[in-house]
Amino acid sequence: EAGVTQFPSHSVIEKGQTVTLRCDPISGHDNLYWYRRVMGKEIKFLLHFVKESKQDESGMPNNRFLAERTGGTYSTLKVQPAELEDSGVYFCASSSQGSRNNEQFFGPGTRLTVL
Amino acid sequence: RKEVEQDPGPFNVPEGATVAFNCTYSNSASQSFFWYRQDCRKEPKLLMSVYSSGNEDGRFTAQLNRASQYISLLIRDSKLSDSATYLCVVNIAGNNRKLIWGLGTSLAVNP
Repeated sequence: EAGVTQFPSHSVIEKGQTVTLRCDPISGHDNLYWYRRVMGKEIKFLLHFVKESKQDESGMPNNRFLAERTGGTYSTLKVQPAELEDSGVYFCASSSQGSRNNEQFFGPGTRLTVL
Repeated sequence: RKEVEQDPGPFNVPEGATVAFNCTYSNSASQSFFWYRQDCRKEPKLLMSVYSSGNEDGRFTAQLNRASQYISLLIRDSKLSDSATYLCVVNIAGNNRKLIWGLGTSLAVNP
């Protein structure tokens, strides 16, 4: 069974540009999460989808970040316009609705560098 | 105060050693507890869930003390392959499924 996949693996952009990250969850997983790790800090929650609906977006830093999950399958996270402090590793995770103890499976992450 | 606190280490131990990691959490409403392992430049992977009665998986033993809001992970007979960062993670009660992460404790097992 394929795991969570993310694209791209790396992205280097200039301040002010736009970047779109993509996440494909494990097939059949209704729950999809975005997290971010900024260098030297803890991994931080960004938001949680249940199918195509945003269940919790309390961790989204500001309105430059837009997440979508049309059709309840893959998700995109767009940053527009990007700022220097947006640099970090963006992880996507998924879990099934009936998972014991909310076990979340992570993708390899997208390493974003904003210059 | 951070929601989940861990000693960042690094812990440097010889092969075969026993090593213990500790973690405290601030929210008494926390319901689920986990240890994740993260290798350098890789994604975090679930090592084990932590149950109230304590649980063991091979060389790994996890303990939870709800009264003290304290979680531990014990690794016996350390292997070179155990070298990684160990992340303490909690989940608050209810429908909120977001995971709250510690900074991680770095472990290096030396030959």
